[in-house]
Amino acid sequence: AQTVTQSQPEMSVQEAETVTLSCTYDTSESDYYLFWYKQPPSRQMILVIRQEAYKQQNATENRFSVNFQKAAKSFSLKISDSQLGDAAMYFCAYRSFSGNTPLVFGKGTRLSVIA
Amino acid sequence: KAGVTQTPRYLIKTRGQQVTLSCSPISGHRSVSWYQQTPGQGLQFLFEYFSETQRNKGNFPGRFSGRQFSNSRSEMNVSTLELGDSALYLCASSWTGTSGTYEQYFGPGTRLTVT
Repeated sequence: AQTVTQSQPEMSVQEAETVTLSCTYDTSESDYYLFWYKQPPSRQMILVIRQEAYKQQNATENRFSVNFQKAAKSFSLKISDSQLGDAAMYFCAYRSFSGNTPLVFGKGTRLSVIA
Repeated sequence: KAGVTQTPRYLIKTRGQQVTLSCSPISGHRSVSWYQQTPGQGLQFLFEYFSETQRNKGNFPGRFSGRQFSNSRSEMNVSTLELGDSALYLCASSWTGTSGTYEQYFGPGTRLTVT
């Protein structure tokens, strides 16, 4: 079974600075999807970014980018120019590419942004 | 396009009662998944429905059940409520294409409190 590990329960960053959240996963599959979700205090889970394992290029969405290292099974999220609205729980998630299987989530990292 | 909606948003029930939660997916999405989120266990997968059929099931007791209607709306039911069932219940919908099911979009959740 696949597992996702987020080793940083909490992190903080100064406004306008850059922060990197770590995620590692374990799988024997070669094709899969990886996601970062954001859950602000409102509790609404929001998709931040998605990466297909077969793509070598790292995904980018505005201030959010990932560092995908397939061999190391690592999938970190970099947030540039951090804003107060980035404060939230961030979840890393894995989903198999073949078959229709559920998302497997990490335990999450709580990000605080300091003004 | 409207997002995933869940009703009710908040619910207080007594031990031993049963509860039904509802989820309306994004228009065109035929897959609906349910997750339970608690501080201790994190996000845990309950089940997934696609075209009115349960496609995947998590490791929850039989007191947890669900169904999907022809319009893709889904309901989950919990019978004989226990204190430990207090949680945020999240519904997510996704579009399924020829190469599998893509990213999931979450609703705001239903906060269930069992007293």
